[in-house]
Amino acid sequence: DAGVTQSPTHLIKTRGQQVTLRCSPKSGHDTVSWYQQALGQGPQFIFQYYEEEERQRGNFPDRFSGHQFPNYSSELNVNALLLGDSALYLCASSSVPDWGVTEAFFGQGTRLTVV
Amino acid sequence: RKEVEQDPGPFNVPEGATVAFNCTYSNSASQSFFWYRQDCRKEPKLLMSVYSSGNEDGRFTAQLNRASQYISLLIRDSKLSDSATYLCVVIFYGGSQGNLIFGKGTKLSVKP
Repeated sequence: DAGVTQSPTHLIKTRGQQVTLRCSPKSGHDTVSWYQQALGQGPQFIFQYYEEEERQRGNFPDRFSGHQFPNYSSELNVNALLLGDSALYLCASSSVPDWGVTEAFFGQGTRLTVV
Repeated sequence: RKEVEQDPGPFNVPEGATVAFNCTYSNSASQSFFWYRQDCRKEPKLLMSVYSSGNEDGRFTAQLNRASQYISLLIRDSKLSDSATYLCVVIFYGGSQGNLIFGKGTKLSVKP
């Protein structure tokens, strides 16, 4: 059973460019959450997708957007990249019943460097 | 004030030592609590959930004090393989959904 897979694993972009990161959730999971982890910090919640809609959003600007596809996979898009966007981007999948969150499984992350 | 705060690290301990990590959270509506482990340049992985009555898993013991909004993790008989960053995580439910709120993490280094 494949766990959460993310692509690419590493990426280097220039300031002002746009980037798309991809995530395939664990089999049987229907909810995908994205996190940004800067060096030396804990992961920060970006947003969560369920049934192809953004369900919750953290404190991130509109430059961060996402999408979920009918097969539950997801994309994270970041426009107008800033140096401060350099971080490890983690995707977590879970099966979220209405009353709460069960265990979230993380992908290995995409390390984005903005130069 | 940050939503989840952890002990500043790093903790450098010898093999066999007992080490304790503390974590406080600010939102009294928080309802679920976890400890995650993150190895260097890897993704976080669930170590254990934290229950109100306290719970133990081998050498690891987790405690929760809701009144003080405080969570702890105790590691007994530390092994070299315990070296990692330990992340305190809480979930509070706004509406019917929740998301993971992470602390900054505490780095543990177990030396021979």
